[in-house]
Amino acid sequence: QSVLTQPPSVSAAPGQKVTISCSGSSSNIGHSYVAWYQQFPGTAPKLLMFENDKRPSDIPDRFSGSKSGTSATLDITGLQTGDEADYYCGTWDSSLSAGVFGGGTRVTVL
Amino acid sequence: QVQLQQWGAGLLKPLETLSLTCEVYGGSFSGYFWNWIRQSPGKGLEWIGEINQSGTTKYNPSLTSRVTISADESKSQFYLKVKSVTAADTAVYYCARALIGWGNPSDIWGQGTVVTISS
Repeated sequence: QSVLTQPPSVSAAPGQKVTISCSGSSSNIGHSYVAWYQQFPGTAPKLLMFENDKRPSDIPDRFSGSKSGTSATLDITGLQTGDEADYYCGTWDSSLSAGVFGGGTRVTVL
Repeated sequence: QVQLQQWGAGLLKPLETLSLTCEVYGGSFSGYFWNWIRQSPGKGLEWIGEINQSGTTKYNPSLTSRVTISADESKSQFYLKVKSVTAADTAVYYCARALIGWGNPSDIWGQGTVVTISS
């Protein structure tokens, strides 16, 4: 059971938009920045978003993040087949004094 | 370009101690925090723990009694030990770099080490 809650899967057609939610509490998302990671099968996760809405320089602007209260969201617009992957949210939990992740969301391009 | 190279035993018996090493190539060691994260087969990511530049550590509460993270700045290496392993510790273990500050995201990851616990 993950501390942060994500939908197991989302899907959309190429070119469309998907939204991945990440729900937490006042001790984690409500207290800290959220990061998002992209993971392809058999590979290490890659940092996709940090400080809620900031992208590393190599991440296209089709990816965007936001946070409101105790929830965060990752949007992928202009969906491409190469975006099929697992996506994880992560943050710091001040009550646990530990890092926490969501259970992951599988993005499928129809 | 900074790279993390990790290694360690891939097959252990129950109750043995898991030991992994992660070495930092091409970048500073002292200016960052260093994480261990694992992923059980078909499951999500699980944060194991983190060490800062002073050697202070924080651990996942569910693992704290069995886990030790340490570092040797002179070798640009950091280490993970998990004692008394069980089948539930079977996972891919990743080392990762994070910016200074507890809980900052990991921007550079190792390639992962598959660890299987089986009698």
